Amino acid sequence: AQKVTQAQTEISVVEKEDVTLDCVYETRDTTYYLFWYKQPPSGELVFLIRRNSFDEQNEISGRYSWNFQKSTSSFNFTITASQVVDSAVYFCALLAANNNNDMRFGAGTRLTVKP
Amino acid sequence: KAGVTQTPRYLIKTRGQQVTLSCSPISGHRSVSWYQQTPGQGLQFLFEYFSETQRNKGNFPGRFSGRQFSNSRSEMNVSTLELGDSALYLCASSPVTPNTEAFFGQGTRLTVV
Repeated sequence: AQKVTQAQTEISVVEKEDVTLDCVYETRDTTYYLFWYKQPPSGELVFLIRRNSFDEQNEISGRYSWNFQKSTSSFNFTITASQVVDSAVYFCALLAANNNNDMRFGAGTRLTVKP
Repeated sequence: KAGVTQTPRYLIKTRGQQVTLSCSPISGHRSVSWYQQTPGQGLQFLFEYFSETQRNKGNFPGRFSGRQFSNSRSEMNVSTLELGDSALYLCASSPVTPNTEAFFGQGTRLTVV
């Protein structure tokens, strides 16, 4: 079974705080891909990052960083020095190689950054 | 490079009617996937098209169907609408397969009354 769990339903921080969004996944496939998307109020899912299961290197892109740990089946996302524009719903997603291109999404975490 | 375009953005239909939604992928992309997003069920995979063929299908009733044209544009159709079909319908565009990259449009918000 393929499953993604985002245990944090809502998070509220004050601008400039760091915040980490948790993502735990389940799959029996050895080849899989993990994604993070941002959904602002406009509705569009904005692609943030893709990782494959063979690449456990952490990645940093500006204020964003991702920590992929296969040992704990987690793919956490940290925003450093958060800004009001970061307010959105963030989704973690899993695409297993043998799952017919059916991308499984977590329930999402609503992040509110207050000025 | 233009992004994924979905039309219309908003739609209101009556129960029992049918509806057709359109998705134009990024130029050069040949895979189009459709997702339904509702507050209760979250994001759920409907189907994926590649080169005018439905390659994969999610767990939705036969009232949900789609097609893809030779220019990779895709349409999805929902017949005999039910109140529970009210949702945001999102399409994703990928070069060949979503596991490389999947870019989403802004979605069509369908309200069934």
